[in-house]
Amino acid sequence: AQSVTQLDSQVPVFEEAPVELRCNYSSSVSVYLFWYVQYPNQGLQLLLKYLSGSTLVKGINGFEAEFNKSQTSFHLRKPSVHISDTAEYFCAVTLYNFNKFYFGSGTKLNVKP
Amino acid sequence: NAGVMQNPRHLVRRRGQEARLRCSPMKGHSHVYWYRQLPEEGLKFMVYLQKENIIDESGMPKERFSAEFPKEGPSILRIQQVVRGDSAAYFCASSPKRDRGPDTQYFGPGTRLTVL
Repeated sequence: AQSVTQLDSQVPVFEEAPVELRCNYSSSVSVYLFWYVQYPNQGLQLLLKYLSGSTLVKGINGFEAEFNKSQTSFHLRKPSVHISDTAEYFCAVTLYNFNKFYFGSGTKLNVKP
Repeated sequence: NAGVMQNPRHLVRRRGQEARLRCSPMKGHSHVYWYRQLPEEGLKFMVYLQKENIIDESGMPKERFSAEFPKEGPSILRIQQVVRGDSAAYFCASSPKRDRGPDTQYFGPGTRLTVL
């Protein structure tokens, strides 16, 4: 069975500081990985995804993530955060030709001035 | 934004009433997924539908919940005889027709159901 673990439920950080949001998954087969962002009272917006190829994936709003198969991780990073990045971030996995996404429990990023 | 549309955005029901949640997928998308988000939790898969077909309902509770995606019109998630534990945000996602491989799912803004 597949599962996704986001180790940090909340991450406070000051504006312009770097941030890393951690995501680990467990699966016995190859997976495809996604990061979504949810602003208050809104739906989920795709940040980036890893399907194949380069393990370093760049997304919108200056975010990037690196797929590490040996560590079964897909951590999200941004070198310098803005107040507007305050939101909840969800890591998700799915399988080839699979129907459902498995989501982590989310990490709330709180960017302080 | 011609994205995934959901209505209503907020729905209040009393225990025992029925809740109907609607989802219109993005233009050109023929796959619809429903997820439920309980407070302080991630999204949990409920059901996957294509036009007139339920493909995977492994995440749907066995009783009171049903979903459909008719040939014409939006997808409907129906909850009969709601209970307080049904209070949650319900998200719909859609993806285009897929020949192989995973497709990105595009999410609507959600319907927040409150059961009094």
